[in-house]
Amino acid sequence: QQKVQQSPESLSVPEGGMASFNCTSSDRNFQYFWWYRQHSGEGPKALMSIFSDGDKKEGRFTAHLNKASLHVSLHIRDSQPSDSALYFCAARPNYNVLYFGSGTKLTVEP
Amino acid sequence: GPKVLQIPSHQIIDMGQMVTLNCDPVSNHLYFYWYKQILGQQMEFLVNFYNGKVMEKSKLFKDQFSVERPDGSYFTLKIQPTALEDSAVYFCASSLGGGRAEQFFGPGTRLTVL
Repeated sequence: QQKVQQSPESLSVPEGGMASFNCTSSDRNFQYFWWYRQHSGEGPKALMSIFSDGDKKEGRFTAHLNKASLHVSLHIRDSQPSDSALYFCAARPNYNVLYFGSGTKLTVEP
Repeated sequence: GPKVLQIPSHQIIDMGQMVTLNCDPVSNHLYFYWYKQILGQQMEFLVNFYNGKVMEKSKLFKDQFSVERPDGSYFTLKIQPTALEDSAVYFCASSLGGGRAEQFFGPGTRLTVL
Protein backbone atom coordinates (compact mmCIF):
# COMPACT_ATOMS: atom_id res chain seq x y z
CA GLN A 1 0.00 0.00 0.00
CA GLN A 2 1.31 3.44 -0.94
CA LYS A 3 1.93 5.61 2.10
CA VAL A 4 0.81 8.83 0.38
CA GLN A 5 -2.24 8.94 -1.87
CA GLN A 6 -2.61 11.97 -4.11
CA SER A 7 -5.52 13.26 -6.18
CA PRO A 8 -6.51 14.17 -8.78
CA GLU A 9 -4.26 12.48 -11.32
CA SER A 10 -4.61 15.43 -13.67
CA LEU A 11 -6.23 18.82 -13.58
CA SER A 12 -6.96 21.51 -16.14
CA VAL A 13 -7.84 25.05 -15.11
CA PRO A 14 -8.21 28.29 -17.05
CA GLU A 15 -5.67 31.05 -16.61
CA GLY A 16 -6.60 33.03 -13.52
CA GLY A 17 -8.46 30.09 -11.99
CA MET A 18 -7.89 28.12 -8.81
CA ALA A 19 -6.04 24.80 -8.83
CA SER A 20 -6.36 22.43 -5.87
CA PHE A 21 -4.50 19.24 -5.04
CA ASN A 22 -5.03 16.77 -2.22
CA CYS A 23 -2.98 14.18 -0.40
CA THR A 24 -3.87 11.71 2.30
CA SER A 25 -1.38 9.69 4.28
CA SER A 26 -1.78 6.27 5.80
CA ASP A 27 1.05 6.67 8.29
CA ARG A 28 0.49 8.55 11.55
CA ASN A 29 4.24 8.85 11.99
CA PHE A 30 4.46 11.49 9.27
CA GLN A 31 5.42 14.81 10.81
CA TYR A 32 6.63 17.01 7.97
CA PHE A 33 4.96 17.70 4.66
CA TRP A 34 6.12 19.36 1.46
CA TRP A 35 4.71 20.24 -1.90
CA TYR A 36 7.10 19.86 -4.83
CA ARG A 37 6.72 21.03 -8.42
CA GLN A 38 8.43 19.40 -11.36
CA HIS A 39 8.65 20.89 -14.83
CA SER A 40 9.37 18.60 -17.75
CA GLY A 41 13.01 17.52 -17.91
CA GLU A 42 13.84 18.88 -14.48
CA GLY A 43 14.02 17.52 -10.97
CA PRO A 44 11.35 18.30 -8.37
CA LYS A 45 11.67 21.65 -6.63
CA ALA A 46 10.14 22.37 -3.24
CA LEU A 47 7.28 24.87 -3.34
CA MET A 48 6.18 24.90 0.25
CA SER A 49 6.59 23.07 3.49
CA ILE A 50 3.96 22.74 6.21
CA PHE A 51 4.55 21.21 9.61
CA SER A 52 1.69 22.54 11.76
CA ASP A 53 -2.07 22.17 11.55
CA GLY A 54 -3.86 24.92 9.65
CA ASP A 55 -3.08 27.08 6.66
CA LYS A 56 0.20 28.41 5.36
CA LYS A 57 0.17 31.04 2.66
CA GLU A 58 3.04 32.07 0.40
CA GLY A 59 1.99 34.43 -2.37
CA ARG A 60 -0.50 32.68 -4.64
CA PHE A 61 0.06 29.33 -2.91
CA THR A 62 -1.81 28.13 0.19
CA ALA A 63 -1.17 24.81 1.89
CA HIS A 64 -3.45 23.28 4.48
CA LEU A 65 -2.62 20.50 6.93
CA ASN A 66 -4.93 18.49 9.13
CA LYS A 67 -2.83 16.05 11.13
CA ALA A 68 -5.85 14.37 12.71
CA SER A 69 -7.10 13.24 9.29
CA LEU A 70 -3.60 13.05 7.79
CA HIS A 71 -4.76 15.30 4.96
CA VAL A 72 -2.71 17.97 3.23
CA SER A 73 -3.81 20.17 0.35
CA LEU A 74 -2.36 22.83 -1.93
CA HIS A 75 -4.28 25.62 -3.60
CA ILE A 76 -2.95 27.90 -6.31
CA ARG A 77 -5.00 31.02 -6.95
CA ASP A 78 -4.72 33.12 -10.10
CA SER A 79 -3.11 30.19 -11.93
CA GLN A 80 -0.68 31.07 -14.72
CA PRO A 81 0.41 29.02 -17.76
CA SER A 82 3.88 28.85 -16.17
CA ASP A 83 2.28 26.90 -13.29
CA SER A 84 1.67 24.00 -15.68
CA ALA A 85 3.75 21.15 -14.26
CA LEU A 86 3.64 18.00 -12.15
CA TYR A 87 2.87 18.60 -8.49
CA PHE A 88 3.87 16.13 -5.79
CA CYS A 89 3.14 16.02 -2.12
CA ALA A 90 5.81 14.46 0.05
CA ALA A 91 5.77 13.42 3.68
CA ARG A 92 8.48 12.55 6.13
CA PRO A 93 8.33 10.59 9.40
CA ASN A 94 10.86 10.98 12.18
CA TYR A 95 13.60 9.46 10.06
CA ASN A 96 15.19 10.98 7.03
CA VAL A 97 13.11 9.55 4.17
CA LEU A 98 10.64 11.38 1.92
CA TYR A 99 7.55 9.50 0.73
CA PHE A 100 6.05 10.96 -2.42
CA GLY A 101 2.53 10.93 -3.78
CA SER A 102 1.88 9.83 -7.34
CA GLY A 103 1.68 13.39 -8.64
CA THR A 104 -0.94 15.64 -10.26
CA LYS A 105 -0.41 16.96 -13.76
CA LEU A 106 -1.63 20.56 -13.88
CA THR A 107 -2.43 22.26 -17.18
CA VAL A 108 -3.27 25.95 -17.08
CA GLU A 109 -4.96 26.97 -20.29
CA PRO A 110 -4.37 30.52 -21.58
CA GLY B 1 19.08 28.84 -6.05
CA PRO B 2 21.17 25.87 -4.97
CA LYS B 3 21.60 23.31 -7.74
CA VAL B 4 22.24 19.61 -7.77
CA LEU B 5 23.85 18.30 -10.94
CA GLN B 6 23.64 14.77 -12.30
CA ILE B 7 25.84 13.12 -14.87
CA PRO B 8 25.00 11.63 -17.31
CA SER B 9 21.47 12.71 -18.17
CA HIS B 10 20.84 9.46 -20.02
CA GLN B 11 22.64 6.12 -19.93
CA ILE B 12 21.90 3.02 -22.01
CA ILE B 13 23.59 -0.23 -21.05
CA ASP B 14 23.22 -3.96 -21.53
CA MET B 15 21.82 -6.11 -18.76
CA GLY B 16 24.55 -7.47 -16.53
CA GLN B 17 26.90 -4.53 -17.03
CA MET B 18 27.94 -2.15 -14.29
CA VAL B 19 26.77 1.44 -14.24
CA THR B 20 27.74 4.40 -12.09
CA LEU B 21 25.45 7.39 -11.74
CA ASN B 22 27.10 10.59 -10.60
CA CYS B 23 25.68 13.39 -8.50
CA ASP B 24 27.25 16.73 -7.68
CA PRO B 25 25.31 17.89 -4.60
CA VAL B 26 24.94 21.42 -3.26
CA SER B 27 28.37 22.36 -1.95
CA ASN B 28 27.70 22.76 1.79
CA HIS B 29 25.09 20.03 2.10
CA LEU B 30 25.71 17.09 4.40
CA TYR B 31 22.93 14.63 3.58
CA PHE B 32 22.60 12.86 0.27
CA TYR B 33 19.85 10.75 -1.23
CA TRP B 34 18.94 8.62 -4.20
CA TYR B 35 15.37 8.14 -5.40
CA LYS B 36 14.04 5.96 -8.22
CA GLN B 37 11.12 6.74 -10.49
CA ILE B 38 9.80 4.19 -12.94
CA LEU B 39 7.85 5.80 -15.80
CA GLY B 40 4.32 6.63 -14.68
CA GLN B 41 4.92 5.66 -11.06
CA GLN B 42 5.71 7.41 -7.82
CA MET B 43 9.21 8.50 -6.93
CA GLU B 44 10.53 6.07 -4.34
CA PHE B 45 13.32 6.43 -1.81
CA LEU B 46 16.36 4.23 -2.28
CA VAL B 47 18.99 5.33 0.22
CA ASN B 48 20.33 8.21 2.25
CA PHE B 49 23.94 8.89 3.18
CA TYR B 50 25.53 11.01 5.88
CA ASN B 51 29.01 11.31 7.26
CA GLY B 52 30.32 8.63 4.94
CA LYS B 53 27.68 6.07 5.86
CA VAL B 54 24.37 4.74 4.67
CA MET B 55 21.80 5.80 7.26
CA GLU B 56 18.59 4.33 5.83
CA LYS B 57 17.80 2.24 2.79
CA SER B 58 14.62 0.83 1.33
CA LYS B 59 13.88 -2.65 0.05
CA LEU B 60 14.49 -1.28 -3.46
CA PHE B 61 18.15 -0.82 -2.56
CA LYS B 62 19.22 -4.29 -3.60
CA ASP B 63 22.54 -5.93 -2.80
CA GLN B 64 23.71 -4.98 -6.30
CA PHE B 65 23.48 -1.30 -5.36
CA SER B 66 26.14 0.68 -3.57
CA VAL B 67 26.75 4.36 -2.79
CA GLU B 68 29.80 6.35 -1.86
CA ARG B 69 31.21 9.86 -1.83
CA PRO B 70 34.97 9.56 -1.78
CA ASP B 71 36.74 12.67 -0.44
CA GLY B 72 33.89 15.08 -1.06
CA SER B 73 33.72 14.39 -4.78
CA TYR B 74 30.67 13.07 -6.60
CA PHE B 75 28.05 11.14 -4.65
CA THR B 76 27.68 7.99 -6.72
CA LEU B 77 25.18 5.20 -7.13
CA LYS B 78 26.69 2.05 -8.57
CA ILE B 79 24.65 -0.88 -9.83
CA GLN B 80 26.56 -4.10 -10.47
CA PRO B 81 25.24 -6.10 -12.22
CA THR B 82 22.28 -4.29 -13.74
CA ALA B 83 18.91 -5.93 -14.38
CA LEU B 84 16.05 -5.01 -16.71
CA GLU B 85 13.96 -3.78 -13.77
CA ASP B 86 16.62 -1.20 -12.96
CA SER B 87 15.44 0.87 -15.93
CA ALA B 88 14.11 4.10 -14.43
CA VAL B 89 14.97 7.72 -13.78
CA TYR B 90 17.25 8.09 -10.78
CA PHE B 91 17.13 11.36 -8.87
CA CYS B 92 19.84 12.52 -6.54
CA ALA B 93 19.02 14.96 -3.75
CA SER B 94 20.93 16.72 -1.01
CA SER B 95 20.02 18.65 2.11
CA LEU B 96 21.87 20.77 4.63
CA GLY B 97 20.37 18.88 7.53
CA GLY B 98 17.83 16.22 8.34
CA GLY B 99 14.40 16.84 9.83
CA ARG B 100 12.77 19.92 8.37
CA ALA B 101 15.56 20.67 5.92
CA GLU B 102 14.51 20.90 2.31
CA GLN B 103 15.84 18.29 -0.06
CA PHE B 104 17.15 19.76 -3.32
CA PHE B 105 16.83 17.48 -6.33
CA GLY B 106 18.89 17.10 -9.46
CA PRO B 107 17.35 16.74 -12.93
CA GLY B 108 17.67 12.96 -12.90
CA THR B 109 19.55 10.33 -14.90
CA ARG B 110 17.45 8.18 -17.19
CA LEU B 111 18.86 4.66 -17.10
CA THR B 112 17.83 2.20 -19.79
CA VAL B 113 18.89 -1.42 -19.35
CA LEU B 114 18.54 -3.51 -22.50
